[in-house]
Amino acid sequence: DSGVTQTPKHLITATGQRVTLRCSPRSGDLSVYWYQQSLDQGLQFLIQYYNGEERAKGNILERFSAQQFPDLHSELNLSSLELGDSALYFCASSVGTGGYYEQYFGPGTRLTVT
Amino acid sequence: AQTVTQSQPEMSVQEAETVTLSCTYDTSESDYYLFWYKQPPSRQMILVIRQEAYKQQNATENRFSVNFQKAAKSFSLKISDSQLGDAAMYFCAYRSAVNTGNQFYFGTGTSLTVIP
Repeated sequence: DSGVTQTPKHLITATGQRVTLRCSPRSGDLSVYWYQQSLDQGLQFLIQYYNGEERAKGNILERFSAQQFPDLHSELNLSSLELGDSALYFCASSVGTGGYYEQYFGPGTRLTVT
Repeated sequence: AQTVTQSQPEMSVQEAETVTLSCTYDTSESDYYLFWYKQPPSRQMILVIRQEAYKQQNATENRFSVNFQKAAKSFSLKISDSQLGDAAMYFCAYRSAVNTGNQFYFGTGTSLTVIP
């Protein structure tokens, strides 16, 4: 158990809908990362927050947005869902933003768009 | 941008034997970290081993060791005395040590089968 929690574990929804994925980082960790893993692919970085502020952005679609709240939990919002958005979404957390700091992965949320 | 390449989509090994998974990467940075992650059917990402680029000595964790060739930008994982529990997807990953947006760059993975 990494100490990072993600809810829900599974999510099934229809095309065109909007969903929110939630991540609670490890106690004391200020940085949260979101990754997307499509079928049989490696993880793709989406976005990073540090202490409430956006720090880095990857190939995140405009239909996707995220935020980190004062209690440091983060939410990833996916809207106008398409079949291709079906994937495993991972959250990871670390104490700081430097490369030295270890990132701890949550168990992931499996999103299925039908 | 950094890229990580795993050229072996699938590998198999006999139980108790040794197997080596390959990884190459491309970067213009001199300071970075390299990782191998294991993803079993549960899909949990499990850190196997980590290597700091500034260290010449190859990292070792029990039955897992790496062969880090910085000039060749190569980072292979050797699993000795393979066990059934080693069967999983293995991902090689890169992370910058100087860029403050220190996200991972992952390869596409190698699926390892362990044959009893």
